[in-house]
Amino acid sequence: EPEVTQTPSHQVTQMGQEVILRCVPISNHLYFYWYRQILGQKVEFLVSFYNNEISEKSEIFDDQFSVERPDGSNFTLKIRSTKLEDSAMYFCASSELGASTDTQYFGPGTRLTVL
Amino acid sequence: AQSVTQLGSHVSVSEGALVLLRCNYSSSVPPYLFWYVQYPNQGLQLLLKYTSAATLVKGINGFEAEFKKSETSFHLTKPSAHMSDAAEYFCAVRYTGTASKLTFGTGTRLQVTL
Repeated sequence: EPEVTQTPSHQVTQMGQEVILRCVPISNHLYFYWYRQILGQKVEFLVSFYNNEISEKSEIFDDQFSVERPDGSNFTLKIRSTKLEDSAMYFCASSELGASTDTQYFGPGTRLTVL
Repeated sequence: AQSVTQLGSHVSVSEGALVLLRCNYSSSVPPYLFWYVQYPNQGLQLLLKYTSAATLVKGINGFEAEFKKSETSFHLTKPSAHMSDAAEYFCAVRYTGTASKLTFGTGTRLQVTL
């Protein structure tokens, strides 16, 4: 069964450093999403992406964050200058269509630890 | 603003007992509702979803949920718990719109005891 994959599974970085989290969505999916989950808190939406453009972003997704689909398979989340409060589990998701009833399929997540 | 509330951050049941995980939504328009499960060190897996086709929705692993508009609820149930059901369960809401986001509840951790 096709699945969303994410690399790395765990990333440790120093405050102020740039990190890139990578995702490979399911191959025929057109809509892509990033969510994050700070330890002990709820899963929060960051951004949705379609046709090489951001469709929607949350207030969390400030200028320090960017997303890109650099090729036909990868979808990346970049944090330019990491802060301690960026430590969280980051989930990538994809859906075949963007309809509200469409299922979003989630990857296993990347645990980001900022020291 | 759209939101879901999950009552009970931790629920413990005995193996074989009924599982009931509560979810209430706030909305002035009909929402689409989802239940996801997260096993330790894994991503979120869809259990079931309500898309207005039927109010009683059956999902994977024997789970089901009933959409009750009058109670703004979408509680998750399973008649008989198994040890393998121990996980964190998230209710989520989504509204009409392309590429619209999921808004998650705070989650309920289900413990199953012998």
